[in-house]
Amino acid sequence: DIQMTQSPSSLSASVGDRVTITCRASQSISSYLNWYQQKPGKAPMLLIYAASTLQGGVPSRFSGSGSGTDFTLTISSLQPEDFATYYCQQSYSSPLTFGGGTKVEIK
Amino acid sequence: EVQLVESGGGLVQPGGSLRLSCAASGFTFSSYWMSWVRQAPGKGLEWVANIKQDGSEKYYVDSVKGRFTISRDNAKNSLYLQMNSLRAEDTAVYYCARGDTAMDRYGMDVWGQGTTVTVSS
Repeated sequence: DIQMTQSPSSLSASVGDRVTITCRASQSISSYLNWYQQKPGKAPMLLIYAASTLQGGVPSRFSGSGSGTDFTLTISSLQPEDFATYYCQQSYSSPLTFGGGTKVEIK
Repeated sequence: EVQLVESGGGLVQPGGSLRLSCAASGFTFSSYWMSWVRQAPGKGLEWVANIKQDGSEKYYVDSVKGRFTISRDNAKNSLYLQMNSLRAEDTAVYYCARGDTAMDRYGMDVWGQGTTVTVSS
C-alpha cells in the first residue's frame, strides 16, 4: 500500500499569511494526488485534483504542485474561512490512501 | 441539485451487521465510480472501498476485506455497504462519495453528510 505523509500535522497562521502544506508518497504516484478541506462536523470538500487542477468553485488563492512523490498545497493569502483541516489523497492505486491531515489554526 | 444522502447507521454490538445505503440524485449515477470513506472520532479520513460504474470492479482497504461488501443498484441510484463481523475499530462516520467517470483517478467531488456507526456492547 502507498503511504501518504503530510507535514506539518498542525500549524498556526494569521489572516493574510501564505501557507504551505506538504505531502509525500511512499512511492511515485505520478500526478494522481488530490487535496481536500474539511471543517468540523462537515464532509470533506475537494479542492484540487491531479496535483494542480483547481476544482470548480474553489478560490484561486489555493494552488497545488508536485509530481512523483512530493507535493504541496499552497494558500497564497489565508482567509478566515480557510481555517480547517487539509488532507492529501493518492488515487494512483488501490487502496486509495489519505495523509494524516494538517490542521490550520488561527494564530 | 447533485446530492448524496446516507442512511442506515446506528449502534450495533461487536460481531453484528449493518447495511449502509447512499441515495444519489441530480446526476447520472451509473456513470461514476463511487466510494465509501470513514472517519473515526477525532481521527483522519480512511478510504474504505470503491466500485466501478457497472459493479464489475470493487476494491477494499485491507482492514475490511472479507467483512464488508460494497454494491450498487444503478436502477435505484443507490450505493450500499454491507458490514459484517463489526469491531469496535469500525466505529466512525461513514461517508459515500462520488468519484469520476474514468478510472477513479481524479478525486471525490461530491460527498454525503455522513452516517454514524457505533460498535459497542
